[in-house]
Amino acid sequence: GQNIDQPTEMTATEGAIVQINCTYQTSGFNGLFWYQQHAGEAPTFLSYNVLDGLEEKGRFSSFLSRSKGYSYLLLKELQMKDSASYLCAVRDKGNAGKSTFGDGTTLTVKP
Amino acid sequence: GAGVSQSPSNKVTEKGKDVELRCDPISGHTALYWYRQSLGQGLEFLIYFQGNSAPDKSGLPSDRFSAERTGGSVSTLTIQRTQQEDSAVYLCASSAGTKSYEQYFGPGTRLTVT
Repeated sequence: GQNIDQPTEMTATEGAIVQINCTYQTSGFNGLFWYQQHAGEAPTFLSYNVLDGLEEKGRFSSFLSRSKGYSYLLLKELQMKDSASYLCAVRDKGNAGKSTFGDGTTLTVKP
Repeated sequence: GAGVSQSPSNKVTEKGKDVELRCDPISGHTALYWYRQSLGQGLEFLIYFQGNSAPDKSGLPSDRFSAERTGGSVSTLTIQRTQQEDSAVYLCASSAGTKSYEQYFGPGTRLTVT
């Protein structure tokens, strides 16, 4: 099975940079997702990492180290609208359709 | 250009009753996923379909839960003899295939069992 850990809550200031960490222990790994979920809304896809390294997409970047079972989501130039829950999910190796999600990190951006 | 749609958006039912939740994926998407999200929790994988086939049903919480997909499009998640612990938001997502990693989520169905 999969075990995924991420901090429950984080707070940051508008305009700053924040890093949300995710660690996982897995019996099989086929990629790691990050999703953003605003309160009361459905998740939206942010990134997918399958190889080690940093993937940059605008203000958001995602990093993966498979040997360490570690990923982070980096958000730059924070805006108030970035206040949301950020979900880390690991894709199962033997079952491409199955992903295991962490409980999410609630990020609050303050002025 | 419609996205994933789900119905009903809200459902209140009495304990012991059966409920059906519906998902309409994005046209042309062959993979369809069901998740459950309890308040303040992450998503719990329930089942996925590739076409009309569900290769892995191990995520279904009990034999009261079943799902089907017909015509490679609409899917129905059925919960029989509902229990209070079934109360949650049920989310459906679709993707172009299981090799396509980007899933598009519907707005969810909020189920409350009283």
